[in-house]
Amino acid sequence: DAGITQSPRYKITETGRQVTLMCHQTWSHSYMFWYRQDLGHGLRLIYYSAAADITDKGEVPDGYVVSRSKTENFPLTLESATRSQTSVYFCASSETADSGNTIYFGEGSWLTVV
Amino acid sequence: TQLLEQSPQFLSIQEGENLTVYCNSSSVFSSLQWYRQEPGEGPVLLVTVVTGGEVKKLKRLTFQFGDARKDSSLHITAAQPGDTGLYLCAGRGQNFVFGPGTRLSVLP
Repeated sequence: DAGITQSPRYKITETGRQVTLMCHQTWSHSYMFWYRQDLGHGLRLIYYSAAADITDKGEVPDGYVVSRSKTENFPLTLESATRSQTSVYFCASSETADSGNTIYFGEGSWLTVV
Repeated sequence: TQLLEQSPQFLSIQEGENLTVYCNSSSVFSSLQWYRQEPGEGPVLLVTVVTGGEVKKLKRLTFQFGDARKDSSLHITAAQPGDTGLYLCAGRGQNFVFGPGTRLSVLP
């Protein structure tokens, strides 16, 4: 069944370690996004990608790295995890960037940095 | 930076009651979307409104986009426990900007 999947769903890591969150979509959507969700802040855009090999910063990109070598994958890497990066991370995709386009979200990756 | 505010932040009501939640901004958006998010899952799109003054109905849910395209409301008639969740509005600017959400709890 087509969809957008994230892995791992749950991760505990130590401060300073590198962590990669994976995202895979089967729709061949052009656009992919990474958001973090924190209480009181809602969903904040970290990075987005309009197509393979094209990425751009969102609202809160510091401390994160993304890549998009293939249309279907959009991994998010925390180069040196900090406690402030404890959050729920959502990957999302959409067919276009048009105003009326639906954004489809994955189920989220719960990351705790200790 | 375009910001969206939502009110109330939390709402707890009894089954059968009506409610309205609001999404406001000082910025104009080309479109506005409402999503519902259940615990442990990602947000799911409910509706998109694109025209100022537009009203859309989805069963017991009524969505309205303000005339100036800066605000929106979601009205639920005869709320049911299955309506429980986090309701997020998202405005389309350069990217989609999400509000912080209204957490609704409908008690049986």
